[in-house]
Order: sequence, then C-alpha cells, then structure tokens
Amino acid sequence: AQKVTQAQTEISVVEKEDVTLDCVYETRDTTYYLFWYKQPPSGELVFLIRRNSFDEQNEISGRYSWNFQKSTSSFNFTITASQVVDSAVYFCALSDITGTASKLTFGTGTRLQVTL
Amino acid sequence: NAGVTQTPKFQVLKTGQSMTLQCAQDMNHEYMSWYRQDPGMGLRLIHYSVGAGITDQGEVPNGYNVSRSTTEDFPLRLLSAAPSQTSVYFCASSQRGNNEQFFGPGTRLTVL
Repeated sequence: AQKVTQAQTEISVVEKEDVTLDCVYETRDTTYYLFWYKQPPSGELVFLIRRNSFDEQNEISGRYSWNFQKSTSSFNFTITASQVVDSAVYFCALSDITGTASKLTFGTGTRLQVTL
Repeated sequence: NAGVTQTPKFQVLKTGQSMTLQCAQDMNHEYMSWYRQDPGMGLRLIHYSVGAGITDQGEVPNGYNVSRSTTEDFPLRLLSAAPSQTSVYFCASSQRGNNEQFFGPGTRLTVL
C-alpha cells in the first residue's frame, strides 16, 4: 500500500524567512509520480508540481524549489523568502500508475502560517 | 473552458436523506475521481473512473455510489446520509497518460 507522511502539522514563520516542508513516501512501485498541491484559505486545490520517479533533478520555480531524493523516499518543498500570500495548507501526494488508473494518495498536509 | 465544475457548493442534509453531488468536466478527460477531505486526514479517494461505463472503488467507498454514463459527468450519490459523511468533497479529472489531476472547487456537505 502507498503512504505519504507529512510530519509537520503546522509551521509558523515570519515573512522573508525560508521554510521547508517535508514529505516522505512509501511505495512498492518502481514508476510513480509525486505532487505538491497548495490549498489557500479559499479552499481550492492549486497544483504546484509533478515529478516522476525517474527524474531526481531538483527543480526551482521562482521562490519555490523541490528536492527529490529517491534514496530517502523524500520530496521536500522549500519556499524562499516566504510571503504572507504563501499562507496555506500544502499537500504532498503520490500517484499510483499501475494498471490504467491514476489515483492520488495524499499526505495529511502542512499548514503554513506566514506573518509580518 | 470551465474546467471541473461541482454543484452544489454547500449542502446540509439530515441523517438518512439521499442526494447526488454533481461533477462535470469539459476537457474531454478520461479519468475522473472523487475525494473527501476531513480535518487532519488529507484527501482520501472514494471512487474513480477510467472512462465512460467503468468505475472502481477507492480507499473509502462505503456509503457512496457512482456511475459514469458520459465522459463529461461523474456524479457521486449518497444513498442514506450519515453524520460521518460530513466533509468537503472534491472531484478531479485527468487525461490518460498525464498524471496531473485538475480539481473542482469542492462541495461542503454537512449531515445533521
């Protein structure tokens, strides 16, 4: 069975601080996808990134960066110079691509609070 | 292009009532899914479909029915609502071969 663990329930930082959200996953699949989603206070789910299991290159998008380490089954997310607008719940998810279906297993989320 | 739409946005039911949550997408996606989100538990998969006429159970299917008669629509039926089904429900769709899922805005359901 697949599992995603986000051990940090809540994180509070002051604006402009860097913050890293941890994600550890378990799967028996050799091919899989990892995702990060943002859920702002308005409630919708905003897709941030998808990474497949064969691509361990780190990715940077503006103030966001992702560190995928297969050896430790981790896919951590760092926000550099955090802003108040980054306040949200962030979910890490794992995709099962066996068979023909695409199903996501989500972590329990990390609530990030950025204050002035 | 509306993406994934869900109706209603809010609903209050009494225990034992039945209702259908509607989900539609206009992206011609083959895959559609229903998730529920509960505090402290993330999102959990209820049912999913890989195409019209094909559905399967996810992690938490009990108390819910689905059918997929068209590519566009994937309704979720609560047969006899229970307070444990109070949750926020998200519908999602994705294209075959592309694991990015597009989520609807959610339906907040309260069962009294």
